[in-house]
Amino acid sequence: GESVGLHLPTLSVQEGDNSIINCAYSNSASDYFIWYKQESGKGPQFIIDIRSNMDKRQGQRVTVLLNKTVKHLSLQIAATQPGDSAVYFCAENMFSGGYNKLIFGAGTRLAVHP
Amino acid sequence: GAVVSQHPSRVICKSGTSVKIECRSLDFQATTMFWYRQFPKQSLMLMATSNEGSKATYEQGVEKDKFLINHASLTLSTLTVTSAHPEDSSFYICSARREVYNEQFFGPGTRLTVL
Repeated sequence: GESVGLHLPTLSVQEGDNSIINCAYSNSASDYFIWYKQESGKGPQFIIDIRSNMDKRQGQRVTVLLNKTVKHLSLQIAATQPGDSAVYFCAENMFSGGYNKLIFGAGTRLAVHP
Repeated sequence: GAVVSQHPSRVICKSGTSVKIECRSLDFQATTMFWYRQFPKQSLMLMATSNEGSKATYEQGVEKDKFLINHASLTLSTLTVTSAHPEDSSFYICSARREVYNEQFFGPGTRLTVL
């Protein structure tokens, strides 16, 4: 369903460590999932996506894992850098009212410390 | 490629006035565009789906008479906030779907402040 007004949780990591950001989605019929990065005052930026017929997808320094059984998605960032500091959102593609639309999760703020 | 722009990037207006925000897909055609609203430290909430040549589809709880959407061409959708009030102050973000690849690209957002 729609994301409700929640304050963002924060994940603090040391530069060089790996980060894992988690997300629970709502609709078991959703067929496509995307992770976005949002920096302050900017629009969301695509990071990586995964379709529901997969359980893992890797990109450059990022990996997305999908567990459909528990409707859970995670984003792993390897060797986290200060430039990775931002808010991260997962989004699920939902077909509703005759249209495909992206519904965003609550988001997690990633703070990378040198 | 696949760039979406918004104009203006920032607008301040007086309570009771109307504000128009434009969303353009610069290098692709978009039959479908989306409007989101984001309050500070919160997620993006879908307001409406904008369809070229037809009426927009609004999400539950979004007033269609207050948030007027016009998708006049395959590269332009506009959101007009009518009779704006301070509680309408927010970050408005549009996105455009590139149909061939079923990808959705986001604009940079418009910060609306209603005094």
